[in-house]
Amino acid sequence: EVQLVESGGGLVQPGGSLRLSCVASGFTFTDHYMDWVRQAPGRGLEWIGRARNKVNSYITDYAASVKGRFTISRDDSKNSLYLQMNSLKIEDTAVYYCARLTGMSFDYWGQGTLLTVSS
Amino acid sequence: QSALTQPASVSGSPGQSITISCTGTSSDVGAYNFVSWYQQCPGKVPKLMIYDVSHRPSGVSNRFSGSKSGNTASLTISGLQAEDEAEYYCSSHTGSDTHVFGTGTKVTVL
Repeated sequence: EVQLVESGGGLVQPGGSLRLSCVASGFTFTDHYMDWVRQAPGRGLEWIGRARNKVNSYITDYAASVKGRFTISRDDSKNSLYLQMNSLKIEDTAVYYCARLTGMSFDYWGQGTLLTVSS
Repeated sequence: QSALTQPASVSGSPGQSITISCTGTSSDVGAYNFVSWYQQCPGKVPKLMIYDVSHRPSGVSNRFSGSKSGNTASLTISGLQAEDEAEYYCSSHTGSDTHVFGTGTKVTVL
């Protein structure tokens, strides 16, 4: 069974940093691109970024809204995906999901972890 | 990258068919057959309903179908049921190797 489990969310002050993790199981992690998607309270889904797989040189892509502040990485030895978030803003408050990309669609999602940016 | 445009809400009676539109540009929806649709029930995780414009994952009811014309993709739910009440989001790959979601559509079963 495919499982994605995020962790690391919490309360952070504006300007602060936090790292989210996503541990995958039930599939061959190295075969897949992995993405982060967020959802602000009561709002829609927003794609944040992607880590490609080893075959594609672990290249990362980002949405303009987070480029330069957020960094995505992965550790295939730990079946893990990470999201390092710096210079956090109040508008970064959201539930953060990791999602598996198969083809060009997200076929599995984690349960999400909540980040609250507030003073 | 701007969000794809969806109607805020669509409603229908049980048994009816409804269609949700998803309008993008020639750089995303119009450029690739990589439109997908997600159902999100309240408090739940999004679920993939349609991929690559018109393909259904295993386990998804054949009452859900997708299509695309130009820069606009559509999701049709036929034989509407109470359990279909949810928020629906479209998504597309873009020309800048990014992804974009739609604004979301709340489906209400009357």
